[in-house]
Amino acid sequence: GENVEQHPSTLSVQEGDSAVIKCTYSDSASNYFPWYKQELGKRPQLIIDIRSNVGEKKDQRIAVTLNKTAKHFSLHITETQPEDSAVYFCAAHSVGDDKIIFGKGTRLHILP
Amino acid sequence: DSGVTQTPKHLITATGQRVTLRCSPRSGDLSVYWYQQSLDQGLQFLIQYYNGEERAKGNILERFSAQQFPDLHSELNLSSLELGDSALYFCASTALQGSYGYTFGSGTRLTVV
Repeated sequence: GENVEQHPSTLSVQEGDSAVIKCTYSDSASNYFPWYKQELGKRPQLIIDIRSNVGEKKDQRIAVTLNKTAKHFSLHITETQPEDSAVYFCAAHSVGDDKIIFGKGTRLHILP
Repeated sequence: DSGVTQTPKHLITATGQRVTLRCSPRSGDLSVYWYQQSLDQGLQFLIQYYNGEERAKGNILERFSAQQFPDLHSELNLSSLELGDSALYFCASTALQGSYGYTFGSGTRLTVV
């Protein structure tokens, strides 16, 4: 089955700087890669996603890149703000397996 | 409000007991997924239902079971509870099977004492 590795587990960046979170997946049949943001005590919320036929997708300060050959994908947050502090989860969905498998999460701290 | 409703929000129970967690998916969503999130842990996939049928199973313990009813709401039953079962249990729904983002409910926080 699919396995998703996520790094780093914790990330601290100065407000205004960029943050990058990286994930790798094992199943080459995976074709959908969502990213979720979870604030303390709240539900995970989808912030951006990318499909395997696209290499990059951007939404304001957030972008995701996908390298199918290397089986890794990354989340980039530019001009970070205090409200970006949260836990971010990457995930992968395999065509033959109807479930989304999540990475272990990255706790992002935005420092003033 | 995400449209996915989970009840109860909090549950405190003793070891050895049995509880039922309930999830109502967004209107029109046929798929329901259950995830367990322990303290400072990731989201562990438990089980998935599509239009009343079990479609995928993760690392779900034999003490746990679930079902999806004709009105598409789902229940997760946890029995012979242990301290280690204390966690946040999330339900998520999506309209179709396959590659679509989930919408999560607000979760049920289970505390086993």
